[in-house]
Amino acid sequence: DMKVTQMPRYLIKRMGENVLLECGQDMSHETMYWYRQDPGLGLQLIYISYDVDSNSEGDIPKGYRVSRKKREHFSLILDSAKTNQTSVYFCASSFQGANTGQLYFGEGSKLTVL
Amino acid sequence: SQWGEENLQALSIQEGEDVTMNCSYKTYTTVVHWYRQDSGRGPALIILIRSNEREKRSGRLRATLDTSSQSSSLSITAAQCEDTAVYFCARASGGNYKPTFGKGTSLVVHP
Repeated sequence: DMKVTQMPRYLIKRMGENVLLECGQDMSHETMYWYRQDPGLGLQLIYISYDVDSNSEGDIPKGYRVSRKKREHFSLILDSAKTNQTSVYFCASSFQGANTGQLYFGEGSKLTVL
Repeated sequence: SQWGEENLQALSIQEGEDVTMNCSYKTYTTVVHWYRQDSGRGPALIILIRSNEREKRSGRLRATLDTSSQSSSLSITAAQCEDTAVYFCARASGGNYKPTFGKGTSLVVHP
């Protein structure tokens, strides 16, 4: 069906709480990504995963960690969330790397940290 | 244009006009992606152009890639209201091809 599904779509947390954002894809794509999007700043890469347990930092990894135990599933974890992590988070996947093909994006997870 | 230190660009045009958005980059790029993002949605690819292609068309869209000037452009011919969206360029960079997105161009097409 070529779909990237993100859960939850909306989340409100208090500062210091842990956050788990989940992403699934049904295309058996090797590569998956987590981005955050803030107004006027475009999409900033947090982490990239090349396959199960093969993760690499993006441009802004501080304060985040990821987990990929199955090819179709990629999680973003915020341990002790901070107010400046309020943002919209997008998961994406691609067949191999971005040099070979397009990224398929989910609909986003809007996180508010109070 | 996108990338570098530029802020989000904003364009406002009338229906039927042509419009061009630009991206420039500083490092060698093998492929440029162009995405559009509708309000409240995730980005979706509209054109992907590789370094061995100088131009690519899809309906009213035309993308160019100039490796000598290290720039790419996206043109929309006879824009329609439904073209209103934010448009992003992205390039594959680094040895592991981590895609880098520009800050985007917000296009509003008025009837």
